[in-house]
Amino acid sequence: DQQVKQNSPSLSVQEGRISILNCDYTNSMFDYFLWYKKYPAEGPTFLISISSIKDKNEDGRFTVFLNKSAKHLSLHIVPSQPGDSAVYFCAASGVGGGSEKLVFGKGTKLTVNP
Amino acid sequence: NAGVMQNPRHLVRRRGQEARLRCSPMKGHSHVYWYRQLPEEGLKFMVYLQKENIIDESGMPKERFSAEFPKEGPSILRIQQVVRGDSAAYFCASSPLTGGTEAFFGQGTRLTVV
Repeated sequence: DQQVKQNSPSLSVQEGRISILNCDYTNSMFDYFLWYKKYPAEGPTFLISISSIKDKNEDGRFTVFLNKSAKHLSLHIVPSQPGDSAVYFCAASGVGGGSEKLVFGKGTKLTVNP
Repeated sequence: NAGVMQNPRHLVRRRGQEARLRCSPMKGHSHVYWYRQLPEEGLKFMVYLQKENIIDESGMPKERFSAEFPKEGPSILRIQQVVRGDSAAYFCASSPLTGGTEAFFGQGTRLTVV
């Protein structure tokens, strides 16, 4: 039973273009959503987050959009750079009042071509 | 300020042996989380600990796995009588507050059971 789904295992974009990574969730009790970036043989690095009371959060080249009615969020990276090539994980938290654990998707491997 | 430190980075164990994975949280962090990543999968929550207390172990297998976070020293994830299916990357994260929103991850321990 996968509560956080990233349906695209991989995505390839050209340098300078926009990268859009998508994430769907099934549990309406989630109230906080995060994106992590992961390089091979390293731990995940926090990128950006959004609370369920917002529909957009922006940090430099990274913007996360949340559509609660559709239970969908997306990460936009613009302009994309070769150094952005990594696996991106969507994560959610907040189920069941006081739960602290993160529920991760399976990840999307982004490749930015020079 | 050193980040989350995990050791060893790589661990090879024969079936039936014990594996001990260590995690030293960031300075000032009193909340520790363990996650496991199987090949081609996202990170799966295992256990959430505060100093000397297990807060949520809902993701821990019922047998052979245990975790502790003593008053002094690192958090330990212990796997007894390892089997091939335990081969995975084990990540530790720490945070200064409740909630995974401020969690910082270590580089992980890659356990291989032969």
